Formats: sequence, C-alpha cells, structure tokens
Amino acid sequence: NAGVTQTPKFRVLKTGQSMTLLCAQDMNHEYMYWYRQDPGMGLRLIHYSVGEGTTAKGEVPDGYNVSRLKKQNFLLGLESAAPSQTSVYFCASSYPPEQYFGPGTRLTVT
Amino acid sequence: AQSVTQLDSQVPVFEEAPVELRCNYSSSVSVYLFWYVQYPNQGLQLLLKYLSGSTLVKGINGFEAEFNKSQTSFHLRKPSVHISDTAEYFCAVRDLRDDKIIFGKGTRLHILP
Repeated sequence: NAGVTQTPKFRVLKTGQSMTLLCAQDMNHEYMYWYRQDPGMGLRLIHYSVGEGTTAKGEVPDGYNVSRLKKQNFLLGLESAAPSQTSVYFCASSYPPEQYFGPGTRLTVT
Repeated sequence: AQSVTQLDSQVPVFEEAPVELRCNYSSSVSVYLFWYVQYPNQGLQLLLKYLSGSTLVKGINGFEAEFNKSQTSFHLRKPSVHISDTAEYFCAVRDLRDDKIIFGKGTRLHILP
C-alpha cells in the first residue's frame, strides 16, 4: 500500500496563477484533510471531508477550494495564488480517530 | 472550543539524557490525544495515542506519554534520547464529538552530542 500520496512535491507559482494539489489514499478512509504548515504555527486545517461528495471549512479556508469527487482523492485548489500562500501543504486521511499523513507539497508563490 | 498548548518551542537535551515535552489541552468534553513526530523534510508520523483506559501510553521508539485529566495534560517522555530523535514533535487533540484534530505549534527536540 502506498498510503497517502501527494502531487506535486514542489511547485513555484507567480502571484495570480492557479493550481491544484492532488491527494490520493489507498486505505479506503472516509475522512480526508488539507493542512498548511508554517514556521512556528504548527499545522492549520484548511478544509476537510467526511466522505465522498462532502467538504467543510477548517480554520484557514480563505483563498482555497476543495473537491472530493472520488473517495480516494481530495483536491486542493488555489484560484489566484498570493505570496501569503507560500507554505508546506499536507494531506491526511483518517479512519478515526488518528490521521495518516502524506509527505507534503512545498509551494512557493513569488 | 478545543485548543492545544505546547509549552516549549525548542528543547535542547544531551544524548542519552531523559526528556519531557509538555502538552496541555483545553476541551469541555472527553477527548482523544495524540503525539506525532516530524523528521526533517517528511510528513507527520503517529508516535502514540490515548483513546481510553490506562493513562500511561507507550509508543514507538521508546516514547511514552501520560494522560492527566485533572491537569488536562499529555506530556511526552523518553528515558534516554538518541541523536536519531532529532525532530519536531506535535501534540494533538480530538474532541469525541468532532471530525477534526487540532494540533499544537510543535516542539523542536535538539539532541546535543
């Protein structure tokens, strides 16, 4: 089993560009999450999903959108990237109560 | 609303010495508690978890944690650290009624030779 995978691993965007981060899990988990990690801030929840076709806002949802069209995939979109969105993004999946994390995507917005 | 406070942002400790990383949480209901470890340039990995039962929980790599309900704490301990324990450690709490896990801001463990 691959567990939780994230694509891409690295990306550099210019301000105003858009992109989609893909998270995939092969553990048949219902719950999936997107976090961002910034120095000294820990992990902050962006959006999450408790099942196929459902999404909900987390702590810092502004500037991001998500979709969960298939149970195994959770997409995070940035419609118009801003320098404040420079961060490391982690996806996690869960068969409650604990979460399993992907390796992360390092995004730089210039 | 639940929250997690990790009292130390960095902890330096000599190799083979004991260490304690402190974590306090606030929640009005019963919770699950977790410690995760993040090695450089990697994702988070579960160290241990408290769900119910014995308040002393043992995890991987020789770590253990004790749940103290009256003090709302879940401190992580290891009796003798190794250079390979250099990492960032995150405490996390999940409200039994909720779908989300809330993370602390992390504690960097520096092992001194």
